[in-house]
Amino acid sequence: GQNIDQPTEMTATEGAIVQINCTYQTSGFNGLFWYQQHAGEAPTFLSYNVLDGLEEKGRFSSFLSRSKGYSYLLLKELQMKDSASYLCAGMDSNYQLIWGAGTKLIIKP
Amino acid sequence: GAVVSQHPSRVICKSGTSVKIECRSLDFQATTMFWYRQFPKQSLMLMATSNEGSKATYEQGVEKDKFLINHASLTLSTLTVTSAHPEDSSFYICSARALRGTGDSYEQYFGPGTRLTVT
Repeated sequence: GQNIDQPTEMTATEGAIVQINCTYQTSGFNGLFWYQQHAGEAPTFLSYNVLDGLEEKGRFSSFLSRSKGYSYLLLKELQMKDSASYLCAGMDSNYQLIWGAGTKLIIKP
Repeated sequence: GAVVSQHPSRVICKSGTSVKIECRSLDFQATTMFWYRQFPKQSLMLMATSNEGSKATYEQGVEKDKFLINHASLTLSTLTVTSAHPEDSSFYICSARALRGTGDSYEQYFGPGTRLTVT
């Protein structure tokens, strides 16, 4: 079956660094997405990885290891506005997104 | 670029009535649109996938006669919740995907969502 696993909730301190992990099992693989979703709003795209390695985009970076079925989202210099849910989604061979349940990130001052 | 609009943003309706939600891709042609439902504190649940000019593909457990989807053009898809009941109250989100050639990430662009409350 297809499955995306990520922690339910994480807490971090403003200014610090946090890593949100995601493991995936999909039927075929066409990439791994990370989305950010603030409460009551629709998700917004953060990153897409299809090759192994680290993709850096400002304060956010995303890593993929296809052999391990593993990805992480790294957030640096955390700000209070980063408090949100972070959704990991794998794209299967039919180009359908398989969604994780999301990781609620709580930032404390 | 890649903006998706959704209308209305909020709607309150009485039980037994029908509600139509529109999803539009404003600056690109969406060959495929997706309709999701999200209950509080839960993840996105895909309801159906629609390709322009063809019938929608519904996920298991989603009643196609209750949730009518029409993807009549490359920029517009509509979801009609028929005979709505209080348990249909949820956050409905559409997304659109454009295939723009090789190297496309198949990224989905989300609309802002519609909060439906059925009384």
